[in-house]
Amino acid sequence: AQKVTQAQTEISVVEKEDVTLDCVYETRDTTYYLFWYKQPPSGELVFLIRRNSFDEQNEISGRYSWNFQKSTSSFNFTITASQVVDSAVYFCALSLGNTDKLIFGTGTRLQVFP
Amino acid sequence: DAGVTQSPTHLIKTRGQQVTLRCSPISGHKSVSWYQQVLGQGPQFIFQYYEKEERGRGNFPDRFSARQFPNYSSELNVNALLLGDSALYLCASSPDRVGEQYFGPGTRLTVT
Repeated sequence: AQKVTQAQTEISVVEKEDVTLDCVYETRDTTYYLFWYKQPPSGELVFLIRRNSFDEQNEISGRYSWNFQKSTSSFNFTITASQVVDSAVYFCALSLGNTDKLIFGTGTRLQVFP
Repeated sequence: DAGVTQSPTHLIKTRGQQVTLRCSPISGHKSVSWYQQVLGQGPQFIFQYYEKEERGRGNFPDRFSARQFPNYSSELNVNALLLGDSALYLCASSPDRVGEQYFGPGTRLTVT
């Protein structure tokens, strides 16, 4: 069975701190995709990144970076120099290679205080 | 280009009633998926439609049904509403059967 675990329910930081959101996934499939989405208070899920199972290169996009490690089945997300606008619920998700079905974790609520 | 649009934004229904939610995908996207998000939880997959055919179904009762039209827009129908159906219903579109999914703003359904 496939599963995504986000063990951190809520994280609070002060602006400019770095913060890492953890994501651990389970699947026996060799072809799969991993995602991160941001859900601000407005409710709309904002796509951040998709990574396929054959590409373990880390990725950086501005203040965001992602660390994919198949050996530990983890796909962690780091925000550098956090800002108040980063406050949201962040979801990690998994899909298998033959479907769009996303399996979401329970989310991590990030609060960034000024 | 416009993003995924959903209507209505909010809806209040009574137990036992039926509801229809609508979704228009991003132009050029052929796949539409529906998700239910109960407060405090991650979204749960309900359906995927690609090229007007059902390609996947989550663990939801038969009271939930959907369809996709020739213009790739989609409707989600829920019959015999229960209090537990109260949730945010999200629609996502992607260009292919397997691709990056972009979500709409959702329809918040309240069942009283």
